[in-house]
This record gives sequence, structure tokens and C-alpha cells, in this order.
Amino acid sequence: DSGVTQTPKHLITATGQRVTLRCSPRSGDLSVYWYQQSLDQGLQFLIQYYNGEERAKGNILERFSAQQFPDLHSELNLSSLELGDSALYFCASSSPVEYEQYFGPGTRLTVT
Amino acid sequence: GQNIDQPTEMTATEGAIVQINCTYQTSGFNGLFWYQQHAGEAPTFLSYNVLDGLEEKGRFSSFLSRSKGYSYLLLKELQMKDSASYLCAVRDHRYSTLTFGKGTMLLVSP
Repeated sequence: DSGVTQTPKHLITATGQRVTLRCSPRSGDLSVYWYQQSLDQGLQFLIQYYNGEERAKGNILERFSAQQFPDLHSELNLSSLELGDSALYFCASSSPVEYEQYFGPGTRLTVT
Repeated sequence: GQNIDQPTEMTATEGAIVQINCTYQTSGFNGLFWYQQHAGEAPTFLSYNVLDGLEEKGRFSSFLSRSKGYSYLLLKELQMKDSASYLCAVRDHRYSTLTFGKGTMLLVSP
């Protein structure tokens, strides 16, 4: 158990809908990272937040957005969902003094 | 940007040694990571190299050559539970974000 929690574990929704994925980092970690993992693309970095502020952006679509709240939990919002958005979405966290990222168990999103 | 290459699949026998290679091209390098991922589960950290050379941790070792843009992960005394995907990742020097390769699926057979 990495100490990072994600909810929900599974999500099934229809095209065009909007969903919110939630992540709670390890106690004391200020950085949160979101990743998307699909079969053909591998693990792709989406966005990073540090202590409430957006720090870095990767291959995140405009239909996707994220935020980090004062209690440091983070939410990833996915809207106008398409079939191709079906994937595993991972959240990871890290502390300022450690180099490794700790991954949550992931949310499996299925868009039908 | 970052470009990371690793073999798609490898097979090995229980008790043997296997080496998984990773080559990378990057505009800013601040360390190379290896993660293990079992199907449908979260990646778990195996090793980190930022300087050239070999880092050993039990049955797993990782090597880095920054001048060659090359790393390998060495797994000794293979066990069935080592069947998993092994992900090579490069850390960006500005924001500590990770760029992952597509992973090497290792199948260990009896």
C-alpha cells in the first residue's frame, strides 16, 4: 500500500458525459501527478500540482482539467468523454525531499 | 522532449538472469527510474539512478550511462512473481515530472 488513495476504483459512463476522479496523496506529500495509461500509449503524464498550484502540464487534452485543494487532495475532471478516453487513470504523489513518486491504485474508466 | 525505447516483450526461465535495456534521448535529464507494474495494478518503484554506474538492491540492479543515454535493469534468480511489465522513466530536470517508456512485458516460465 503506497498511501495514495483514489476513488472510484471503476467507472463506466457513456460518451459525451463528464466524470470526476479523486486522489488523496500520502500524508505530507505536496506534489500530485496525474497519468493516463491506455494499452497502446503506455503511461502518459497529464498534469502536476504542487501545494495547490499547477506546476507542469503534459499531454492533457483541453476537455480535461484538474485542481488541487487546500487539504492537498486533487480531482481530475474529464468532460465530453469519447471512447478513446477509456483507460486507467493513476494519481501519484511525492514529497519535496524524496525522488520517487508513489502511485495510487488507479481508476479504471470505461466509456461506452 | 523525451524519447524512451525499451523492448516490448522478453521471456526468461525461473532461476535465470535477465537484462532489460532502455535507451533515451532527452532535452533535460535529472535521473532515471525503473518501476514494476503487474497487470491492472499501480506501478511500484524499483530503482533510481542519477549518476553513472550500477545500483544494486537485492535481486535487482540498475545501471546508467548518461553519455550513452542508456540504462538497464538486471533481475537475478528470477521468480514466477517477477512476471510483470517493467517501465523505464526519465525525470525532467525542471519539474521532476516523469516520462515513461511503453514498458517491457517480462514472462517468467517454470
